[in-house]
Amino acid sequence: SAVISQKPSRDICQRGTSLTIQCQVDSQVTMMFWYRQQPGQSLTLIATANQGSEATYESGFVIDKFPISRPNLTFSTLTVSNMSPEDSSIYLCSVQIRRVNRDEQFFGPGTRLTVL
Amino acid sequence: SQKIEQNSEALNIQEGKTATLTCNYTNYSPAYLQWYRQDPGRGPVFLLLIRENEKEKRKERLKVTFDTTLKQSLFHITASQPADSATYLCALDRAAGNKLTFGGGTRVLVKP
Repeated sequence: SAVISQKPSRDICQRGTSLTIQCQVDSQVTMMFWYRQQPGQSLTLIATANQGSEATYESGFVIDKFPISRPNLTFSTLTVSNMSPEDSSIYLCSVQIRRVNRDEQFFGPGTRLTVL
Repeated sequence: SQKIEQNSEALNIQEGKTATLTCNYTNYSPAYLQWYRQDPGRGPVFLLLIRENEKEKRKERLKVTFDTTLKQSLFHITASQPADSATYLCALDRAAGNKLTFGGGTRVLVKP
């Protein structure tokens, strides 16, 4: 399995500011993802964090708004830029580990963001 | 467009009974389907995976079925316990890129 930690666990931010969320994994992983979970909603994939290259963003998400870094195989950051109340959400880091029969996915505890 | 639908209404069930949750999808050809449990304030935790060529999978008190003709998966919790109270999410694994797409989740409340 993989143990994933995220910092901060929660934050309350003012409109127009930016917040950087950190994700640390206890082992080297190739595939790392960032999800968003808005209140009462399910998880939506924001992007795949690629080590050594630019992140791959899903439809509706752009690098200017959600810049991502992946400096090595155990760490990634997601920045929520120029925040508005609509960005209030839980942001989750996830990693995928290759097994014999399939890939297994693990999630971090999430970062609860409230934008005022 | 692609859709994954789970019953958004909470499922209230008496302890000891079987809880049955539904996951329907459209415009997908998933390689496999996964079920996760999510407790409040926590990230999802993997429970079970079932492949497109499998009809049924079991793990302790959990059972998952997968009907690719109906484009539906059923998730059963037998002999339910109050500790089973949580939100249960289904997710489809697209063959390309192994990216998961999640349904909206169904909240289960098991009453003693």
